[in-house]
Amino acid sequence: QQPVQSPQAVILREGEDAVINCSSSKALYSVHWYRQKHGEAPVFLMILLKGGEQKGHDKISASFNEKKQQSSLYLTASQLSYSGTYFCGTEVSGTYKYIFGTGTRLKVLA
Amino acid sequence: DTEVTQTPKHLVMGMTNKKSLKCEQHMGHRAMYWYKQKAKKPPELMFVYSYEKLSINESVPSRFSPECPNSSLLNLHLHALQPEDSALYLCATRRGPTSNEQFFGPGTRLTVL
Repeated sequence: QQPVQSPQAVILREGEDAVINCSSSKALYSVHWYRQKHGEAPVFLMILLKGGEQKGHDKISASFNEKKQQSSLYLTASQLSYSGTYFCGTEVSGTYKYIFGTGTRLKVLA
Repeated sequence: DTEVTQTPKHLVMGMTNKKSLKCEQHMGHRAMYWYKQKAKKPPELMFVYSYEKLSINESVPSRFSPECPNSSLLNLHLHALQPEDSALYLCATRRGPTSNEQFFGPGTRLTVL
């Protein structure tokens, strides 16, 4: 079942913060976050495996709630380079099957 | 070498043509994926090869035929496609079976006339 992301789209000014949510009706085995710029391939950002886990690097961080049904991506002091479409993704435990979330289009304006 | 290459970059084909997409990696990754991505949509899984064997086929029409000739190469053979098959086709690789990142190639932009 495909994870649902919210919001579908967001527009920010440089320096503003954003939160992107990824929700599932069932517990997720893991959650991955990717960013895809227009006309390019998705690029891996980070993976969370454990309920309650938080992870981050630079000004982008993510959390995975205790029930492993929701993950949030936090973009702090956004830069123009953050523009793109963000996808969460998950795998079906024990298989190679992979499902991307519905996606969130983020645009940062100068 | 952490690169996944895909050729061609763009492909235009008629509905009666036969063509192939190629994906290559030299990272020693043992899982290789084909995805289809329509505009403003997430990538949609088509096939997965694990250790050169087809392990997942997401009910893809037979006009798409995958092939994994060796651990570095993945092909997608196309025949009698429909205009609705026009999309970006992405190849991805993964080191192992669980919880690792996928490395994506740049994709092939396919247009079916």
